[in-house]
Amino acid sequence: DVKVTQSSRYLVKRTGEKVFLECVQDMDHENMFWYRQDPGLGLRLIYFSYDVKMKEKGDIPEGYSVSREKKERFSLILESASTNQTSMYLCASSPTTGLRNEQYFGPGTRLTVT
Amino acid sequence: AQTVTQSQPEMSVQEAETVTLSCTYDTSESDYYLFWYKQPPSRQMILVIRQEAYKQQNATENRFSVNFQKAAKSFSLKISDSQLGDAAMYFCAWDSNYQLIWGAGTKLIIKP
Repeated sequence: DVKVTQSSRYLVKRTGEKVFLECVQDMDHENMFWYRQDPGLGLRLIYFSYDVKMKEKGDIPEGYSVSREKKERFSLILESASTNQTSMYLCASSPTTGLRNEQYFGPGTRLTVT
Repeated sequence: AQTVTQSQPEMSVQEAETVTLSCTYDTSESDYYLFWYKQPPSRQMILVIRQEAYKQQNATENRFSVNFQKAAKSFSLKISDSQLGDAAMYFCAWDSNYQLIWGAGTKLIIKP
């Protein structure tokens, strides 16, 4: 089975802190994604990566950056956390071929910024 | 803009009965994929069913089936013989080449 893990289930940070969210997948998938999930808004794509060291902005990249130094790991960075970044963050991965395959999700990280 | 609309924020159904969740989308493309994902409480999002737009036959996975109406841009999910384990948020998503466009979700409640 594909396994996508995220470094924390719950995280509480203060405004202005630098926050790292880590995601690791064990199925050698080329594509990895970071989403933000808010009630009534569904999932919104922050960034995605289709290869090591490659990244593409999604719908809401402002205030976030990403890093993909190894194929299995995709990190989301909040350079200076703000209260409006309080949310559930979901990581996903998928094999290649046009991104039209099933995306496999991690359990999510619920981030609270106070 | 390409959008996915789930007009039912919440639905409830009696255990063992059938429920249909609605989804509409907007696109000018002719070849694409549609998905229904399920997110149980405090558990990971998983794929329920996938439909390829060029296939006329509706996809089916055990108790889950879709009613895909391409001209109407409608993609509803039917759950037959509802079980307590079906309680979850259900998200409809449309493949836009490099990303999935997601609906806001429908919370499904199963009444025992």
